[in-house]
Amino acid sequence: GESVGLHLPTLSVQEGDNSIINCAYSNSASDYFIWYKQESGKGPQFIIDIRSNMDKRQGQRVTVLLNKTVKHLSLQIAATQPGDSAVYFCAENTGNQFYFGTGTSLTVIP
Amino acid sequence: EPEVTQTPSHQVTQMGQEVILRCVPISNHLYFYWYRQILGQKVEFLVSFYNNEISEKSEIFDDQFSVERPDGSNFTLKIRSTKLEDSAMYFCASSEIQQNGYTFGSGTRLTVV
Repeated sequence: GESVGLHLPTLSVQEGDNSIINCAYSNSASDYFIWYKQESGKGPQFIIDIRSNMDKRQGQRVTVLLNKTVKHLSLQIAATQPGDSAVYFCAENTGNQFYFGTGTSLTVIP
Repeated sequence: EPEVTQTPSHQVTQMGQEVILRCVPISNHLYFYWYRQILGQKVEFLVSFYNNEISEKSEIFDDQFSVERPDGSNFTLKIRSTKLEDSAMYFCASSEIQQNGYTFGSGTRLTVV
């Protein structure tokens, strides 16, 4: 059947390689950012967050970089695994709500 | 690990009918949210709720929508007269403090026919 809706940017990586997913945000007043992972049929799952007074934050196998000058956020996943295959969203917080990006679909090739 | 629970997982309803989507947030969380995601599109904010009242709502959240916390555990989203364009995944979320990472539920897929 015909598909409707936005076509997500896609990224395919080999298992074990590093992945970099990028996001441009819109509001220079946003001061809190989160990366979410969404697997098919599930709700968004928190991965890592960063506040605007930082430019880098590391978690387990993940690193978020924030460049406020160009309003850019990136998520780096080290040693990507098949279980990392999902859609990844960045979300910026302004006030009492989050604004989500359109997402990037990551496919890990075994 | 604490979870946000949503029921039902899938709801089919006829256009014009009322639906109630149910959520049980994490027990010590104080802030509650509804978001929706139309197939293939962005996750969109609907409403936030704190201290038994709406703290913020989006343009999507018109008079057809309402939220309620009828008891100490449930948080519901009601759509009074559903339209075809209300078909989407509806996600409930909760957080312990404001502007903190939410925990999302698995969503309710609403199909309006």
